[in-house]
Amino acid sequence: DAKTTQPTSMDCAEGRAANLPCNHSTISGNEYVYWYRQIHSQGPQYIIHGLKNNETNEMASLIITEDRKSSTLILPHATLRDTAVYYCIVRVPLSNTGKLIFGQGTTLQVKP
Amino acid sequence: DAGVTQSPTHLIKTRGQQVTLRCSPKSGHDTVSWYQQALGQGPQFIFQYYEEEERQRGNFPDRFSGHQFPNYSSELNVNALLLGDSALYLCASSLMDTEAFFGQGTRLTVV
Repeated sequence: DAKTTQPTSMDCAEGRAANLPCNHSTISGNEYVYWYRQIHSQGPQYIIHGLKNNETNEMASLIITEDRKSSTLILPHATLRDTAVYYCIVRVPLSNTGKLIFGQGTTLQVKP
Repeated sequence: DAGVTQSPTHLIKTRGQQVTLRCSPKSGHDTVSWYQQALGQGPQFIFQYYEEEERQRGNFPDRFSGHQFPNYSSELNVNALLLGDSALYLCASSLMDTEAFFGQGTRLTVV
């Protein structure tokens, strides 16, 4: 599985968009980009994943660069409840390997 | 849908003891994975169970073992507990290796 690099921490004002970057320069052609978040003392929560096209769901948008070496998770209108550690992970789904390799993630602090 | 449930939520054990943690997967899920999360760190993969067999294992000693039952629920057993085993233990379930859903975890403290 490819390694990812994320900033250690970021701040965002409540109501503004939070843009969380992730570098995955060694990503393979069949690896997807996954995002999870972990609110304090809870289990990680799946947010979104994608291969090469931009993806959007009710929680967030995922923008993947054309060369697939980096991506950005966008929370369009951050709230205080979005304060959490955000993990960017690359893996091959349905590969029967199962494991997720978590790095240190980005601690997002949403401020009033 | 109850989601992934883990029990107990908190546990205190003494060094050298054995512990069993339990996980019930999300309804319809057939794959269970276990992770250990030390304070301030990201979760670390322990192993995964599918069809009652251990399919993949992370870099953990044999003191860590598991089991999956025919109803897909799972147990994590840790023998000869060390102080360093103190952590949040997370269970994740998925269907055929699609996106994983995590439980709230079991906080294990070894004293």
